[in-house]
Amino acid sequence: DVKVTQSSRYLVKRTGEKVFLECVQDMDHENMFWYRQDPGLGLRLIYFSYDVKMKEKGDIPEGYSVSREKKERFSLILESASTNQTSMYLCASSKGKLEQYFGPGTRLTVT
Amino acid sequence: GENVEQHPSTLSVQEGDSAVIKCTYSDSASNYFPWYKQELGKRPQLIIDIRSNVGEKKDQRIAVTLNKTAKHFSLHITETQPEDSAVYFCAAWDSNYQLIWGAGTKLIIKP
Repeated sequence: DVKVTQSSRYLVKRTGEKVFLECVQDMDHENMFWYRQDPGLGLRLIYFSYDVKMKEKGDIPEGYSVSREKKERFSLILESASTNQTSMYLCASSKGKLEQYFGPGTRLTVT
Repeated sequence: GENVEQHPSTLSVQEGDSAVIKCTYSDSASNYFPWYKQELGKRPQLIIDIRSNVGEKKDQRIAVTLNKTAKHFSLHITETQPEDSAVYFCAAWDSNYQLIWGAGTKLIIKP
């Protein structure tokens, strides 16, 4: 079974803090994705990566950066958290153009 | 780029009746259309998908149809059951190798 894990289920941070969200997959998938999910807006792609050290901007990259130093790990970084970044963050991985497997999500609250 | 519209945003059906969710896409080069189901508090999971060389695909009570000319695809659930209550997302792979998501449909099964 593919397993995608995220470092935290719930996170509370203060405005201006630097926030790290980590995602790890154990199936040797080359593709990894970060989404945020807000009610009524579906899944919006923040960044994705098709290989180690490679990253591509998605639809809403502003205020975020990513890091992929190892194939199994994809990190999302909020350089200076703001209240409008309060959301559910979902990580996913896939092999090629196939099914995306999602992690359990991190609910981030920025106060 | 690709744009995916999904309707309705909420669908309420009587248990045992059928449910239909519709999506339209804009990129004629799109060739893969998955559907994901997200139960309350859980991660999205793939339930069925269809490729552009096929017009219809069925898996027990779930079917997906694709009309390439009109650029729309639909999810059909027959004999709905309480466990079908969830948010359903359609998506389309675009020519830029990105999965573009619909906004989601909340399906409510009334007892």
